[in-house]
Amino acid sequence: AQTVTQSQPEMSVQEAETVTLSCTYDTSESDYYLFWYKQPPSRQMILVIRQEAYKQQNATENRFSVNFQKAAKSFSLKISDSQLGDAAMYFCAFQTGANSKLTFGKGITLSVRP
Amino acid sequence: NAGVTQTPKFRILKIGQSMTLQCTQDMNHNYMYWYRQDPGMGLKLIYYSVGAGITDKGEVPNGYNVSRSTTEDFPLRLELAAPSQTSVYFCASSYSRTGGFGNTIYFGEGSWLTVV
Repeated sequence: AQTVTQSQPEMSVQEAETVTLSCTYDTSESDYYLFWYKQPPSRQMILVIRQEAYKQQNATENRFSVNFQKAAKSFSLKISDSQLGDAAMYFCAFQTGANSKLTFGKGITLSVRP
Repeated sequence: NAGVTQTPKFRILKIGQSMTLQCTQDMNHNYMYWYRQDPGMGLKLIYYSVGAGITDKGEVPNGYNVSRSTTEDFPLRLELAAPSQTSVYFCASSYSRTGGFGNTIYFGEGSWLTVV
């Protein structure tokens, strides 16, 4: 079974600064996808970024980038130039080919200080 | 574009009552999922379906039932509601070719259920 661990329950960042959210996972699969989802107070689940395990290059989406360390089973999210709208709960998630099910971590609450 | 639509958005149930959470998607997705999110926790998979007529259990199926008679609809039935089923429920869908994954999963806006 796959597990996803987000050990930091909360983090805070100053507006315009950079913050890194940590995630580790455990799996015996060789091919899989990793995702970061954002959940604002509205509870809507918003896809932030995805990474395929076979791709060595770290994914980037505008101010969001990941540091994917496959051997260490680590998948951290870096948010650059943090904005007030980035304040939300962030979930790391894992997906294998078995019916494309997502396994989620417990999430981390990010607050942004003006 | 409606995407994934869930109803109702809010519901209060009494212990022992039953209800159905409705979910419909208009993207012709073959895969559909039901997740629940307890306070301060991540989402846990209740049931999923890979196509009309096919359903399977996820991580936390006890106390729930599903059906998938059409591609568009995937209702979740709660039988004999218990306080432990107080949660936010998310329906989701995606399109996957056979054996493929990494596809974007689209979520509904959630249904808040309280059992008292």
